[in-house]
Amino acid sequence: DAGVTQSPTHLIKTRGQQVTLRCSPKSGHDTVSWYQQALGQGPQFIFQYYEEEERQRGNFPDRFSGHQFPNYSSELNVNALLLGDSALYLCASSPGLAGQFFGPGTRLTVL
Amino acid sequence: ELKVEQNPLFLSMQEGKNYTIYCNYSTTSDRLYWYRQDPGKSLESLFVLLSNGAVKQEGRLMASLDTKARLSTLHITAAVHDLSATYFCAVEPITQGGSEKLVFGKGTKLTVNP
Repeated sequence: DAGVTQSPTHLIKTRGQQVTLRCSPKSGHDTVSWYQQALGQGPQFIFQYYEEEERQRGNFPDRFSGHQFPNYSSELNVNALLLGDSALYLCASSPGLAGQFFGPGTRLTVL
Repeated sequence: ELKVEQNPLFLSMQEGKNYTIYCNYSTTSDRLYWYRQDPGKSLESLFVLLSNGAVKQEGRLMASLDTKARLSTLHITAAVHDLSATYFCAVEPITQGGSEKLVFGKGTKLTVNP
């Protein structure tokens, strides 16, 4: 079992650009959540997808959007990047009620 | 809004000593998680506590949950250098329909000195 996988590992973008991050959940997991972790902080919930629908959303602007595919994989899109969007982006998957398993993360740097 | 507070935020201790990290949260929840994070790495699940009075132990770490006091503790026994990392507690508010978001504390950066 490969666990939760994310791509890319690292990414450098400039202000105003757009970025897409990808996540494949652990086998058997149908729920995917995305978190943003700024340096020195705890992860902050962005949103959660279940059955291809956004089920819950945290306090993030509309520049952050996502998608879940029929195979449960997910994408996180961020438009009009700001310097403050630089962070580690973590994907977590869960099989419903049994807790969340985190992927290795994507380190995004916005210059 | 659910708030999760950890203390201390920084902890420097000597090898062989014992210490406890505290995690308080502000609303009712029956699910609490402890994670470890090494620098530049993702979150490693340590413990899942699913009911009042739950206690789990793994090696030198023991976690407990008191849902009435809205308090969880992570106790470190006879610390060793390899335990140096940042430890996060996270609370999952329970609603109908399944797994919800995790609300994390700010983390406790633990340094174990020889």
